Amino acid sequence: QVQLQESGPGLVKPSGTLSLTCAVSGDSVSENRWWSWVRQPPGKEPEWIGEVSHTGSTNYEPSLKSRVTISLDKSSNSFSMKMMSVTAADTAVYYCARGPVPFDRWGQGTLVIVST
Amino acid sequence: SHELKQPPSVSVSPGQTATITCSAAALAKQYAYWYQQKPGQAPVLVMSKDSERPSGVPERFSGSGSGASVTLTISGAQAEDEAVYYCQSAHAGSGTVIFGGGTQLTVL
Repeated sequence: QVQLQESGPGLVKPSGTLSLTCAVSGDSVSENRWWSWVRQPPGKEPEWIGEVSHTGSTNYEPSLKSRVTISLDKSSNSFSMKMMSVTAADTAVYYCARGPVPFDRWGQGTLVIVST
Repeated sequence: SHELKQPPSVSVSPGQTATITCSAAALAKQYAYWYQQKPGQAPVLVMSKDSERPSGVPERFSGSGSGASVTLTISGAQAEDEAVYYCQSAHAGSGTVIFGGGTQLTVL
């Protein structure tokens, strides 16, 4: 059974860097797939952040591209996201998901609050 | 990029048919996908490529597409189908993924 599990700090200070990791089990990040990060602000629709392929190629949402880096770690069968210069507008539940579209497996999500 | 437009809410009585639409010019060329999200849970894929029902999704869920719009239909809606439904599409060229604003389905 494929499972994805997000991990990382639940509280990040404004102007800091948000770092999350998604551990994958039941599948291999080295297989021919794309692995995505999606966030969902409270009460709003999901927003795609970006994706990384099994080769390490990446695509990003244009409005976030300048602040986000997504990378693959084959040794730990995981992938990660770093978002720089965060503000309160980045407060959201962050999900990792298996793609490419459609996303057929999602992590449970982790709430990240940007606040002092 | 493009916007995927959905009605904010749809209400039906149990056993009735619920239809949720998603519209955008790009849907004439790109597939749409539908997700169901219940409170506190991650989205779950309920329809793929406009009308392909993933394994495990009840047969009462169906999908269709026509031109710049797609429709998710729940025939004989049940209380357990109450959730927010999001449509999703993607740009083949840029790889950008976009979600609709979501439709709250109320079954009562």
